[in-house]
Amino acid sequence: GAVVSQHPSRVICKSGTSVKIECRSLDFQATTMFWYRQFPKQSLMLMATSNEGSKATYEQGVEKDKFLINHASLTLSTLTVTSAHPEDSSFYICSVREWVNQPQHFGDGTRLSIL
Amino acid sequence: EDKVVQSPLSLVVHEGDTVTLNCSYEVTNFRSLLWYKQEKKAPTFLFMLTSSGIEKKSGRLSSILDKKELFSILNITATQTGDSAVYLCAVGGSQGNLIFGKGTKLSVKP
Repeated sequence: GAVVSQHPSRVICKSGTSVKIECRSLDFQATTMFWYRQFPKQSLMLMATSNEGSKATYEQGVEKDKFLINHASLTLSTLTVTSAHPEDSSFYICSVREWVNQPQHFGDGTRLSIL
Repeated sequence: EDKVVQSPLSLVVHEGDTVTLNCSYEVTNFRSLLWYKQEKKAPTFLFMLTSSGIEKKSGRLSSILDKKELFSILNITATQTGDSAVYLCAVGGSQGNLIFGKGTKLSVKP
């Protein structure tokens, strides 16, 4: 069965809207979750590492004030795209990992379209 | 700069063919190499390799890692149309993050 639940799966909204994406770990407690972005025909690019109870670690070039991450519990991390613009349109995917030496398991992703 | 390079970028075969997908990497503090299959949604986990020379198998799929040559291959035998997907190679560093290659798009024709 699914290890990770991510929703919504699809969002279409107007420019300037803030969009929240949820990622839930279903099978285990995840102190660390990861947020990726995938543009068409490109590979997954890590945006940030979400740490339960502390601030997220952002990759170079990713604006932390633009992409707000909250990891309030061991099973839930949220990514909020604030004041989204058309260039933020992309496929956003979260992943969870039980331990450092375990593989990451991915959610089904959220396709975000900003008009 | 860490990088993962996959080849070929795309491949078209007929059902029953055997394919080999390649992944080379340059990553500091290598911890593991993972293969994922991505169809229309998120990647699904296939294999995780940490040691050289030990082949991992799952049905018609198998993979092996060469840590000396910084290289891995993913083999699919007797391909089926359901194998059509993008196959992603990712390398894990010491921080637990994954660096992905661009993927190999495999198309299996009936």
